[in-house]
Amino acid sequence: KNQVEQSPQSLIILEGKNCTLQCNYTVSPFSNLRWYKQDTGRGPVSLTIMTFSENTKSNGRYTATLDADTKQSSLHITASQLSDSASYICVVDNNAGNMLTFGGGTRLMVKP
Amino acid sequence: EAQVTQNPRYLITVTGKKLTVTCSQNMNHEYMSWYRQDPGLGLRQIYYSMNVEVTDKGDVPEGYKVSRKEKRNFPLILESPSPNQTSLYFCASSQADRGPYEQYFGPGTRLTVT
Repeated sequence: KNQVEQSPQSLIILEGKNCTLQCNYTVSPFSNLRWYKQDTGRGPVSLTIMTFSENTKSNGRYTATLDADTKQSSLHITASQLSDSASYICVVDNNAGNMLTFGGGTRLMVKP
Repeated sequence: EAQVTQNPRYLITVTGKKLTVTCSQNMNHEYMSWYRQDPGLGLRQIYYSMNVEVTDKGDVPEGYKVSRKEKRNFPLILESPSPNQTSLYFCASSQADRGPYEQYFGPGTRLTVT
């Protein structure tokens, strides 16, 4: 069964600190891995999209990494800001047509 | 501005009263889909459409209908809503169903069925 597991479920950090969120997946065949940011009550917004051949992609203070061999991805947030408080969702596309498997998300809270 | 719009944003209704949630995109995207989001379960796909008049079931289609008569619109229909359909619903669109195309989400519709 295709699954995407994220850890931790929730995280509290102080403003200005860095953090790393983890994503493990068992989706096969794999094509793309996406990270989304979702503010409470709003639609997810795309941060990065990586194909199976890419192992890192950045979007400002957000850097995603992908290890297709171990089926792991991480999202690193540098110099966190209060506005980074949100849920971060890892999503994996399989290659067999339109099937996106969503992780449960990591809820990040950045405190002043 | 490129966007996906949904209406209504909030809806409280009673069991059995048919309702429609509209979704529209202005990006000429071929692919559209509907998701529901429930606490602890993440986003789950209800239905998707790869083009006009082409729709297919996602993971949780029971109790829902969709139609795709025009490229820009993809309404979600609940013929006889039940309390277990209380959820936060998102419509999304992208250029195509495969490949690293960005998927754009609407603002969400919070539905409560009593």
